[in-house]
Amino acid sequence: AQSVTQLGSHVSVSEGALVLLRCNYSSSVPPYLFWYVQYPNQGLQLLLKYTTGATLVKGINGFEAEFKKSETSFHLTKPSAHMSDAAEYFCAVTYTGTASKLTFGTGTRLQVTL
Amino acid sequence: DTGVSQDPRHKITKRGQNVTFRCDPISEHNRLYWYRQTLGQGPEFLTYFQNEAQLEKSRLLSDRFSAERPKGSFSTLEIQRTEQGDSAMYLCASSLPILETQYFGPGTRLLVL
Repeated sequence: AQSVTQLGSHVSVSEGALVLLRCNYSSSVPPYLFWYVQYPNQGLQLLLKYTTGATLVKGINGFEAEFKKSETSFHLTKPSAHMSDAAEYFCAVTYTGTASKLTFGTGTRLQVTL
Repeated sequence: DTGVSQDPRHKITKRGQNVTFRCDPISEHNRLYWYRQTLGQGPEFLTYFQNEAQLEKSRLLSDRFSAERPKGSFSTLEIQRTEQGDSAMYLCASSLPILETQYFGPGTRLLVL
């Protein structure tokens, strides 16, 4: 069964500091990986996705993630945090043959302080 | 492209009552998914449709839950005899065929008293 682990349920950074949100997945076949962001009382918005090809993926709002097969990781980064980045972030995985249903991690709440 | 819409956004009901939620996907998307998200957790898959056919249901979907997509457009999710454990955010998503991005609606937050 596919699974996703997000290390750190809460991460706090200062405005302007590096953001690093961790995601590890378990897989016996090549995964498709996603990062979504959720603002309070809203649905999920796609930040970026990895399917095939280039392992460094750039997304919206200055976020990027790198697929590392050897480490089974897909960590999300942003060089400089902004107050508007404060939200809940979810990593998700799917695989060929799973009808594209997504398996999500438990989420990481990002707090950005002045 | 008006995005995925869900109605209502909020629902408060008493235990034992039936509730129905509606999801309108992006118009050209033939796949439609329902997820449930409880407090502090990530969304969990409930069921999905390709056009009007319901192709998979999670074990999370008890007999009290039923979903339909009668004309391959909008979908409804009904919960019969609600229980307090049904309190959650119910999310709908739609996509083009397999492995394309899922676009989520704003969700329906259900509170069962």
